[in-house]
Amino acid sequence: AQKVTQAQTEISVVEKEDVTLDCVYETRDTTYYLFWYKQPPSGELVFLIRRNSFDEQNEISGRYSWNFQKSTSSFNFTITASQVVDSAVYFCALSEVGDDKIIFGKGTRLHILP
Amino acid sequence: GAGVSQSPRYKVAKRGQDVALRCDPISGHVSLFWYQQALGQGPEFLTYFQNEAQLDKSGLPSDRFFAERPEGSVSTLKIQRTQQEDSAVYLCASSPEPPAKNIQYFGAGTRLSVL
Repeated sequence: AQKVTQAQTEISVVEKEDVTLDCVYETRDTTYYLFWYKQPPSGELVFLIRRNSFDEQNEISGRYSWNFQKSTSSFNFTITASQVVDSAVYFCALSEVGDDKIIFGKGTRLHILP
Repeated sequence: GAGVSQSPRYKVAKRGQDVALRCDPISGHVSLFWYQQALGQGPEFLTYFQNEAQLDKSGLPSDRFFAERPEGSVSTLKIQRTQQEDSAVYLCASSPEPPAKNIQYFGAGTRLSVL
């Protein structure tokens, strides 16, 4: 069965601090995709990244970075030098190859305090 | 616009009423998905279309839920005889052909409140 766990329900940090959002997943497949989406107050889910299971290389995009570790089934997301505009709910998600739907975690609500 | 468009943004229904929610996907996107998001939860899959064919409806919670995409573009999610537990945000997403096939782009959703 597929499952995504985001243990942190809510996090608050002061602006300019670094913050890491944790994600642990379960799947029986060897081939799958992992995602992070951002949901600002407007409600629209914004795609941030897709990573396939064969690529464990960490990725950096500006202030965002992702750490994928197959050995621990984790796909953590770090925001460096956080800004107020980063305040949102962040979802980690999983999709198995051949199954088009995406399984989402329950999300982590991130508050960046000025 | 270039994104996924959903209407209405907000819908209030009395228990027992039928509702219809519309999704206009990104032009040219073959796949279309519907998700239900309860308050404080992640989106949960309802159903999936590839062009006009409904390939997976395993997530529809009851036979009161029905979705269609007759011409392979705009889709409508219909809920008959609404119940209070149907109150949620209904999200639509579309995705392009491979290799980006399973990157889903979401609309802002329709917030349904059943009184």
